[in-house]
Amino acid sequence: QVQLVESGGGVVQPGRSLRLSCVASGFTFNNYALHWVRQAPGKGLEWVAVISYDGSNAYYANSVKGRFTMSRDSSMNTLYLQMNSLGPDDTAVYYCARPGVSGNGWNYYYYHYMDVWGKGTTVTVSS
Amino acid sequence: QSALTQPASVSGSPGQSITISCTGTFNDVGTFNLVSWYQQHPGKAPKLIIYEVTKRPSGASTRFSGSKSGNTASLTISGLQAEDEADYYCCSFSYETSGMVFGGGTELTVL
Repeated sequence: QVQLVESGGGVVQPGRSLRLSCVASGFTFNNYALHWVRQAPGKGLEWVAVISYDGSNAYYANSVKGRFTMSRDSSMNTLYLQMNSLGPDDTAVYYCARPGVSGNGWNYYYYHYMDVWGKGTTVTVSS
Repeated sequence: QSALTQPASVSGSPGQSITISCTGTFNDVGTFNLVSWYQQHPGKAPKLIIYEVTKRPSGASTRFSGSKSGNTASLTISGLQAEDEADYYCCSFSYETSGMVFGGGTELTVL
């Protein structure tokens, strides 16, 4: 079945880096853009970033731009989120999510809603 | 990049209908018919229940319906059931960032 499994979360000190992974299965990885969405404890959902089907393009939320970088490895069916200069506001459950539209294009049509979600991985930034 | 505005909480009795609003701007909700809605139970991942303002994904209950007028989208849940008690989030494409923006979330209580 279609599945996304995140990993890589943990406790990290402020200012340090962490890389999250999301392994996809049950669908053609190269045909979909992919998102990261996070949720701070007791708070709402916050969109983080989206990457194109081939990894050549990405958009980021202003809150993470310049610090976070998305990438993907089609040989491993894996999505990554490299997080640098982490601060307490980055503490959250991080979800990867797949859009409902497949295709080898890059505009909002290919990522404007998320129909498959992983269970999330927890990142805690604390000294 | 401000979040879309949702009421913090709504409530209703079993069998009743409730509506949750989601207000944005001309940069997101007002210009694009790209509003989606997600249901999230405590400790669980979000689940898509409406996309492109009015469309239901396969498997979503027909008791969920969506609409939009101007800069405000709405989710209506009819025939409330205990299992509908959850948090609900709207989301829209945002021209400002070319990305997505979520609402702050609405906690639904079934009395």
